Amino acid sequence: GAVVSQHPSWVICKSGTSVKIECRSLDFQATTMFWYRQFPKQSLMLMATSNEGSKATYEQGVEKDKFLINHASLTLSTLTVTSAHPEDSSFYICSGFGAYGYTFGSGTRLTVV
Amino acid sequence: DAKTTQPNSMESNEEEPVHLPCNHSTISGTDYIHWYRQLPSQGPEYVIHGLTSNVNNRMASLAIAEDRKSSTLILHRATLRDAAVYYCILRVYNNNDMRFGAGTRLTVKP
Repeated sequence: GAVVSQHPSWVICKSGTSVKIECRSLDFQATTMFWYRQFPKQSLMLMATSNEGSKATYEQGVEKDKFLINHASLTLSTLTVTSAHPEDSSFYICSGFGAYGYTFGSGTRLTVV
Repeated sequence: DAKTTQPNSMESNEEEPVHLPCNHSTISGTDYIHWYRQLPSQGPEYVIHGLTSNVNNRMASLAIAEDRKSSTLILHRATLRDAAVYYCILRVYNNNDMRFGAGTRLTVKP
């Protein structure tokens, strides 16, 4: 079946630094990649949608200059959290959409200290 | 956007069937009904999806009401590994958005 590999699975960073999260579709081409954020005991909130080679479309209230998304190829998308603050601590999940439908990554737990 | 309503939580005994309901009274004719589940600290996992007819796969069955305003995910024999949050999601035809509601937290008791 389709697999999306998401790395790192967890990361701790200092306030003010940037963190990059990577998602690769291993055996299919993800024409669209979705990025979600999930706070404890809450549901997944869609942050942005990106199509390969195009600029990402951000949901209302999500700062595009803070959450940089790159989808340069059909198998790789990255989310960079810039100038991270403690309130950005969350579980970030990507999902690739392709021939097999939606496939989710295993998530990245970000802790900003 | 059509929304879904699910109970916050449900309990089941191991090896018994579980029926997880979902109401989607504002569903339109081209909305697909998707079910995903999420285990703790993991990404969501596909369970099943359908449009109008009931669907079966190795994981579960999906029963869709005739008027499509509700559906039920059926786990035929719950195991401890089925303990998760189950999400019922409507996907609009020709729109790739996948937006999650609150879901149902299923607890399976030994």
